[in-house]
Amino acid sequence: SQTIHQWPATLVQPVGSPLSLECTVEGTSNPNLYWYRQAAGRGLQLLFYSVGIGQISSEVPQNLSASRPQDRQFILSSKKLLLSDSGFYLCAWSGVTNYGYTFGSGTRLTVV
Amino acid sequence: AQSVSQHNHHVILSEAASLELGCNYSYGGTVNLFWYVQYPGQHLQLLLKYFSGDPLVKGIKGFEAEFIKSKFSFNLRKPSVQWSDTAEYFCAVTAKTTDSWGKLQFGAGTQVVVTP
Repeated sequence: SQTIHQWPATLVQPVGSPLSLECTVEGTSNPNLYWYRQAAGRGLQLLFYSVGIGQISSEVPQNLSASRPQDRQFILSSKKLLLSDSGFYLCAWSGVTNYGYTFGSGTRLTVV
Repeated sequence: AQSVSQHNHHVILSEAASLELGCNYSYGGTVNLFWYVQYPGQHLQLLLKYFSGDPLVKGIKGFEAEFIKSKFSFNLRKPSVQWSDTAEYFCAVTAKTTDSWGKLQFGAGTQVVVTP
């Protein structure tokens, strides 16, 4: 069966420090991969999605970037964190038919 | 661009009361519709989904949703809620384009609190 792993679960980082959040999917190949940010009262905002290795699309301008170095690995990064980057980050995957997404357990990022 | 609207941001109700959460979307073409739930401290999980066929969809834990195409709505219902239904509920839509499906767009979410 397919599983999605996301880590770390919680992260506290100082302003200006780098960020790397990792997400991996098992049990499937060539998944569509997504990074969402969840903010209180604002639902889930799609940040990046990828339909293949090295293919990254950004939905909103921001301080973050994403990379897909392997088929089932999706990384969210920042060179210098801002206070406004604090939030709950969710990774998700779907098949090409988009019959629903499966979400990881999320990373709570606090920038101090 | 498509959008998803959830009418209530915060709902408080007593156990055994009925629950209905509104969801409207803006896309006029073919859509797949979803309700996700996030219980306190847990990750987002699928409650139910509609792709085609019977517009009344039954999900887990006694929830159901009705797709009304003419109203662009996909409201979530439960006849009698329990304290364990306290959670945040998200409506989501993906729309079909010429040759593929678009990304999943979420509503802002509704925080539901069920009091004993």
